[in-house]
Amino acid sequence: GAVVSQHPSRVICKSGTSVKIECRSLDFQATTMFWYRQFPKQSLMLMATSNEGSKATYEQGVEKDKFLINHASLTLSTLTVTSAHPEDSSFYICSASPLLAPSYNEQFFGPGTRLTVL
Amino acid sequence: KQEVTQIPAALSVPEGENLVLNCSFTDSAIYNLQWFRQDPGKGLTSLLLIQSSQREQTSGRLNASLDKSSGRSTLYIAASQPGDSATYLCAVREAYGQNFVFGPGTRLSVLP
Repeated sequence: GAVVSQHPSRVICKSGTSVKIECRSLDFQATTMFWYRQFPKQSLMLMATSNEGSKATYEQGVEKDKFLINHASLTLSTLTVTSAHPEDSSFYICSASPLLAPSYNEQFFGPGTRLTVL
Repeated sequence: KQEVTQIPAALSVPEGENLVLNCSFTDSAIYNLQWFRQDPGKGLTSLLLIQSSQREQTSGRLNASLDKSSGRSTLYIAASQPGDSATYLCAVREAYGQNFVFGPGTRLSVLP
């Protein structure tokens, strides 16, 4: 149980275009989802906390107008990288915390999305 | 601000050895601590979750301990195997928010 999927797994785009990444909790409902980015050989850095039905909370230094987050339902959150640039190339990972016990305070991670901006 | 560190940064051991990975955090006000495994280019797999009120958790060859007052956790891997080769990350969930703070990870190589 507690499976989180991400789509797409890999995306290559041209500089200036926008890319949308989906994060879904497949077998549980999650009021809160988290978006992280990971640079090569580095740890995960939290970008934003996404709450269903409300605006996302962004970490300091993360541009909310560049990284648009929408959490429209209890099973889906999307991250849109707008006007992507090569420096946005990274591994983006989402996670979700179940709404209900017994795992309500545990995070389950998606498989990640590798974004390459040319 | 919560900071999480992991020692060592990298570790290479022969197959069959028992090993210990260390995780330290600066603020003891945590909700729980979670150990993850990450294979190259992949997402994270949860290994063990320890609530703040617990001292340890075990799963198969893995045992994780938590000493909240000293801000430390260890992950013990018994009888290591080449398939254990991966990066191991620890993360703490802060008591006063929903955030998880990750350590930089330990890259483990188990040699056959």
